[in-house]
Amino acid sequence: DAKTTQPNSMESNEEEPVHLPCNHSTISGTDYIHWYRQLPSQGPEYVIHGLTSNVNNRMASLAIAEDRKSSTLILHRATLRDAAVYYCIPSQGGSEKLVFGKGTKLTVNP
Amino acid sequence: GAGVSQSPRYKVAKRGQDVALRCDPISGHVSLFWYQQALGQGPEFLTYFQNEAQLDKSGLPSDRFFAERPEGSVSTLKIQRTQQEDSAVYLCASSLALRGRKLFFGSGTQLSVL
Repeated sequence: DAKTTQPNSMESNEEEPVHLPCNHSTISGTDYIHWYRQLPSQGPEYVIHGLTSNVNNRMASLAIAEDRKSSTLILHRATLRDAAVYYCIPSQGGSEKLVFGKGTKLTVNP
Repeated sequence: GAGVSQSPRYKVAKRGQDVALRCDPISGHVSLFWYQQALGQGPEFLTYFQNEAQLDKSGLPSDRFFAERPEGSVSTLKIQRTQQEDSAVYLCASSLALRGRKLFFGSGTQLSVL
């Protein structure tokens, strides 16, 4: 199984960009990289996923390193509502299940 | 549209009591997952269904845990003879595709075993 390393916590100021890093050096060539976030007292929420190319959607951008050993989730303008735990999850060799780690707790300061 | 619905939202059980937690996935979603989340930890996988078939139950912590999805829609997670270490939030998620990349989670059932 691919292992991930994320910082335990990060802080940002409102309306500034946030770059959330993730190392997944043991990822295999066919594993997608998923990002979910979990707001307090809620279930996790899908943010974005990708395989090799950088991806953008209305919530965020995902920048994937060329060697795929790391990726960065980019929130272009953080808001207070973006305060959450962010999980980086490589898919597990084609397995259906997603294996969550401890994630990064993002604090957004007004 | 309706999301994944879980009930009850909160459950308090006495040690040794049996509990049943319900998950209503999004209509038409093929895949259904159960996760357990202890305080301050990430969700831990319990089991996975594809329609009514339970394809992976490797995460169930003991034979006191049992899940079913008899008609391929609603699912029930049953815990027999609850123990204090079973106290956690139980999350259900569903996905449209057979190899869904996007899971939709419910808000969970918070189980407290006294």
